[in-house]
Amino acid sequence: AQKITQTQPGMFVQEKEAVTLDCTYDTSDPSYGLFWYKQPSSGEMIFLIYQGSYDQQNATEGRYSLNFQKARKSANLVISASQLGDSAMYFCAMRSSSGSARQLTFGSGTQLTVLP
Amino acid sequence: NAGVTQTPKFQVLKTGQSMTLQCAQDMNHNSMYWYRQDPGMGLRLIYYSASEGTTDKGEVPNGYNVSRLNKREFSLRLESAAPSQTSVYFCASSESAGYSGNTIYFGEGSWLTVV
Repeated sequence: AQKITQTQPGMFVQEKEAVTLDCTYDTSDPSYGLFWYKQPSSGEMIFLIYQGSYDQQNATEGRYSLNFQKARKSANLVISASQLGDSAMYFCAMRSSSGSARQLTFGSGTQLTVLP
Repeated sequence: NAGVTQTPKFQVLKTGQSMTLQCAQDMNHNSMYWYRQDPGMGLRLIYYSASEGTTDKGEVPNGYNVSRLNKREFSLRLESAAPSQTSVYFCASSESAGYSGNTIYFGEGSWLTVV
């Protein structure tokens, strides 16, 4: 079975500073994908960034980057130059390529608040 | 630029009533999903459809049924609603279910309250 752990229920960051949201995962499947989603207070789930288990380089998408450390089974999200609009719940999720684990498994989320 | 559209957005049901949540995607995706999100938790998979004509149970299927009507549409039915089914429901789709790299895209959610 696969599992995602997000140990930070809430985080605060000053506007324009960088912040790291932690995510660790557990799977026995050698092929998997890691995702981060943003859920603002309006409720929709917004895809942010993807990292494949065989990708050699860390994924980046604009101000978002994923710090992927395969040996430690961690996939932390780094948001650079935080903006007030970044205040939201952030979920780490994983898909494996086999069996029922092909479906997304989510962590419990981290509530990020950006302070002016 | 619709993506995944689900209706209704809000619904209040009495215990024992039935209802169907509708979902449609316009991205020509093969796979579709229904998730629920309870307060303070991540999403949990209820049912999914890897391709048109197939459906499979997810982590929390009890009390629900689904229908993959065609490639575009995937509905979720509560036959006899219970207060434990009060939740936010998300429909989602992806190009396929078999590749871990395919991103899953979500609808805006449906807030369901069972009283």
